Parts: sequence; structure tokens; C-alpha cells
Amino acid sequence: GAVVSQHPSWVICKSGTSVKIECRSLDFQATTMFWYRQFPKQSLMLMATSNEGSKATYEQGVEKDKFLINHASLTLSTLTVTSAHPEDSSFYICSARMGGTEAFFGQGTRLTVV
Amino acid sequence: QKEVEQNSGPLSVPEGAIASLNCTYSDRGSQSFFWYRQYSGKSPELIMSIYSNGDKEDGRFTAQLNKASQYVSLLIRDSQPSDSATYLCAVHRRNTGNQFYFGTGTSLTVIP
Repeated sequence: GAVVSQHPSWVICKSGTSVKIECRSLDFQATTMFWYRQFPKQSLMLMATSNEGSKATYEQGVEKDKFLINHASLTLSTLTVTSAHPEDSSFYICSARMGGTEAFFGQGTRLTVV
Repeated sequence: QKEVEQNSGPLSVPEGAIASLNCTYSDRGSQSFFWYRQYSGKSPELIMSIYSNGDKEDGRFTAQLNKASQYVSLLIRDSQPSDSATYLCAVHRRNTGNQFYFGTGTSLTVIP
């Protein structure tokens, strides 16, 4: 399957700081990228969908000013958690797809805000 | 009504048995269906995709799709302890901005 690389794998940051997570499709051009959040023992929660070159579409209840998504190219999308707080601690996962095919997931980023 | 529904389990089967995982979806316009496996603390990985009615087999895995009943299933034959994971059903609808909808997942434990 296609490879999606997510970086960093884990990050610890202080409350009030911002954290950037990168998601790259390594061997295909991703027309659409998705960002998910997953709390322990819960299912994936879609946060936003981004198409290259356009603004991300956020799911209801997700603050777009807090979770900044940039999809500047067909191979890179970034999620920035601004002014992070302990309740933002979670497992963040991106996925990417091209055209009408399957979505492939990055390795995930475990964010801990202290 | 949720877009995709799965029995959360947990489902336990003995090693060597057949594990049957089920999923229903609400929108008849859904076009593509996927099964992902997620180990604890890891990201989901795609194991099967199915697009048309009937069965699709890949090794020990068989996906079954019945669009009339809006039902997708995954059968795992000769279950192994390494199959113990959460299995996520996903549905793609092109008419909603190419959204993927995931079920909440079914936790499977294969007992040695």
C-alpha cells in the first residue's frame, strides 16, 4: 500500500505552546488529507478534511482557530495545535488518499500537554 | 442514526476459529467499503477494500458486501492471537465531499 509518513511520533509540550504535526504522502499525490483525533479506548474522530490548495473543512465542534490545517502541496499537510492545553492531549492521526481510492494512515502522533 | 455502526464487542474467539465482524451503514449512496485493523496505540492499517456486492477473499480474510441490506462483514479464518486488535469499518461517499465515515470499531481477542 501507499506510504504516509507522520512526524513527530510523539511530542510533549508545555501548556500554552503550539505544536505542529506534519503528514506526508511519500509515493503518491494526496488529493485529500484527513485529520483524526483518538482518545484512549475510543474510536477515531474526524477533525477536518483538507484538499490541496483550499481551506480545510472542519467537523462540527472542532475549533478551526485552535487546530490550524495547511495543505500546501499534494504531498504535505500540517496540523498546528495552538495554545495547547492538557485536554488536547490525544493521539492525532492523518490519512491521505488520491482520487477515489483507499485512505492510508500515518503512524500517528501522541501529544501530551503538561 | 450513525453513518456506520459496528458492535463494539469485545468479541473473543479461540485460536483457529472463524471470527465474524459486522458493520451496517445508513446511506445507500455509499460506494466503497473498507476494513482497517488497529492495534492498541497504533494507527489503523488497511486490510480489505470492497466495492461491489458479493465476497472478496484475500488470504485468511474475506469481506462480504450486501448493498441491498447495507451490510458489510469481515471474516477471519484460522484466527491467530496476532489478529487480536480493533477492527474498523469505513465507508466512503463521494456525494458528501469525499468523506470517509468510520464505525466505532469491534475489539477482537483471539484466545490461544
